[in-house]
Amino acid sequence: ETGVTQSPTHLIKTRGQQVTLRCSSQSGHNTVSWYQQALGQGPQFIFQYYREEENGRGNFPPRFSGLQFPNYSSELNVNALELDDSALYLCASSLDSGGAGSPLHFGNGTRLTVT
Amino acid sequence: QKEVEQNSGPLSVPEGAIASLNCTYSDRGSQSFFWYRQYSGKSPELIMFIYSNGDKEDGRFTAQLNKASQYVSLLIRDSQPSDSATYLCAVAGGTSYGKLTFGQGTILTVHP
Repeated sequence: ETGVTQSPTHLIKTRGQQVTLRCSSQSGHNTVSWYQQALGQGPQFIFQYYREEENGRGNFPPRFSGLQFPNYSSELNVNALELDDSALYLCASSLDSGGAGSPLHFGNGTRLTVT
Repeated sequence: QKEVEQNSGPLSVPEGAIASLNCTYSDRGSQSFFWYRQYSGKSPELIMFIYSNGDKEDGRFTAQLNKASQYVSLLIRDSQPSDSATYLCAVAGGTSYGKLTFGQGTILTVHP
C-alpha cells in the first residue's frame, strides 16, 4: 500500500506566475486535503476535495483553486503568485470526508519559493 | 484569541527526562485531537490522536485530554535526542468539520 505522494518536491517561480502542484492519494482514499505551511508556522487549511467536489475551504483567496480526478488524485493551482505564497504545501488523503477528524497522514510536501 | 495555542518554546530537556508539551483550543465543540512531529525540512508525521477525555498511551508517548478545560497535552518519557523536532497540536470537529486547525508548534530539543 503506497502512501500519499506529491510532486514536484521543490519549485521556484516568479511573482505573477501560475503553479500547479500534484498529489496522489493513498490507495482506497477518496478525500484529499491541502494545507499551506509558512516557515515557522503551523499548517493552514486551504481546502478539501471529496469525490471530486470541493468540501470545505479555508481563508484563502480564489486564486487558490483545486481539482480532484476520478482516481482521487488532486491538483492545487495558484494563480498570480505572490511572495507570501512561498511555503511548504502539504497534501493529505483520507477515507471519506473525515467527519470529526479522521487521522490525516501527509505526503512529503512541495516546497514552493516565489521570487 | 488564537484557535489553537501551544506553549511557547523552544523547550529544552536533558536526555532521559520527561518532555511536556501543552495545547489549548477555543472551539468547545472540537472532537478530535492530534499530535504531529515535524523534523526540519520534512512534512508533519502523526504520532498520537485522542478523542476521549483522559490519557492515551503509546510507547513513550502519552496524550492527555481535558475537554472541560479545553486542554490537550503530550508527554514524552525517556526523551531521546532523536525526539528533537517541532511538535504540532491539531484539532478537528465542532465548527471546523472536515479540516484540522493547527497550533504554531513547539520546538523541542533533547540534549545528551
